[in-house]
Amino acid sequence: EVQLVESGGGLVQPGRSLRLSCAASGFTFDDYAMHWVRQAPGKGLEWVASITWNSGNREHADSVRGRFTISRDNAKNSLYLQMNSLRAEDTALYYCAKDLRFGSGSYVFEYWGQGTLVTVSS
Amino acid sequence: QSVLTQPPSASGTPGQRVTISCSGSTSNIEGNTVNWYQQLPGTAPKLLIYSNNQRPSGVPDRFSGSKSGTSASLAISGLQSEDEADYYCAAWGDSLIGMVFGGGTKLTVL
Repeated sequence: EVQLVESGGGLVQPGRSLRLSCAASGFTFDDYAMHWVRQAPGKGLEWVASITWNSGNREHADSVRGRFTISRDNAKNSLYLQMNSLRAEDTALYYCAKDLRFGSGSYVFEYWGQGTLVTVSS
Repeated sequence: QSVLTQPPSASGTPGQRVTISCSGSTSNIEGNTVNWYQQLPGTAPKLLIYSNNQRPSGVPDRFSGSKSGTSASLAISGLQSEDEADYYCAAWGDSLIGMVFGGGTKLTVL
């Protein structure tokens, strides 16, 4: 059974940093691209970042580019999101998602974790 | 303002057929495939339809997707109370904006 468990969220002041983690199990982690998607309270879904199976290609949404960095450690079956210079508008539930297709990815979010909440406030 | 446009709400009675539209442009929907996600209240989203009209294993065939030009649609036939959820369309935008979602449609089963 595929399991994705996010952690690392919490309350942080504007301008500070936070690192999210996603522990994956139930599938061969290093075969699949992985993604982060967020959802502000009461709002819709927003794609944040994606990384290919071998970290060869990383993409970030325009709203976080230059502040957030996606990474992975295949030896630890883990996905990360380093978030710097946080803003109030980054407040959201952050989901980790597994890609549907083997290899470089298809941007189809097949499985989702339950999310970790990040609140940016002074 | 989302790049893909969905109606904010839709409704139907049990057994009815409802459709949810997703309108985009030549730079997203027309040139790429569309995926649909279902988010039940208080839960994480779930993949419902991918590549315009493909259902993942376990998704009932009451759910179907289609695409034409710059628009896509999700159809739900034989509506059930458990279908009450938020539905989101998604497609690749371009290399600058990446993956884009619709604003979501809240489906109410009357």
